[in-house]
Amino acid sequence: NAGVMQNPRHLVRRRGQEARLRCSPMKGHSHVYWYRQLPEEGLKFMVYLQKENIIDESGMPKERFSAEFPKEGPSILRIQQVVRGDSAAYFCASSPDRTLAGYTFGSGTRLTVV
Amino acid sequence: AQTVTQSQPEMSVQEAETVTLSCTYDTSESDYYLFWYKQPPSRQMILVIRQEAYKQQNATENRFSVNFQKAAKSFSLKISDSQLGDAAMYFCAYRSPLYETGNQFYFGTGTSLTVIP
Repeated sequence: NAGVMQNPRHLVRRRGQEARLRCSPMKGHSHVYWYRQLPEEGLKFMVYLQKENIIDESGMPKERFSAEFPKEGPSILRIQQVVRGDSAAYFCASSPDRTLAGYTFGSGTRLTVV
Repeated sequence: AQTVTQSQPEMSVQEAETVTLSCTYDTSESDYYLFWYKQPPSRQMILVIRQEAYKQQNATENRFSVNFQKAAKSFSLKISDSQLGDAAMYFCAYRSPLYETGNQFYFGTGTSLTVIP
């Protein structure tokens, strides 16, 4: 059973371009969470999704950022018109439900904006 | 909002010795969960140990144990018989009760642990 798969592992974008980060949760997991890790900092919550629904997006910047978790396929975190400050590691985690167990992280996507 | 503080940016320990990493948190909730995660250079976030706030007994996982002081809002991690593979960033994390809608983790800024051969 593969873990949480994130791709790409590294992504380089020029300022103003769009970044798309993908997350395939563990098999059987229908809850997905996105976190951002800025250099020298801990992970900060961005958004919590279930299939086709955004449950909590209180950590998402109001502009340029969006997330989806469609009925079929991976969850996508989309950043439009990237700026240098968006450079960070973006982590996805998944769980089968809202219970304590099974909150599994992926290895992250490192986004570099040049 | 809940805050998690790790006051030791860096720690080092001799191989086979014991080291304690500190963590304090701030919350008004009485029921919550605390975690320690390990992040090696591979960047993978690995769960080390977790503690339910309603449990008096400190959690233990092999060489890893915690000292949970609820009144003091302190949650330290003790690593016994340190091994070279323990070298990593360690993050303390707080999670709200499951009935909260957000279901999110709050992380500290991490402690970088070096193990000296």
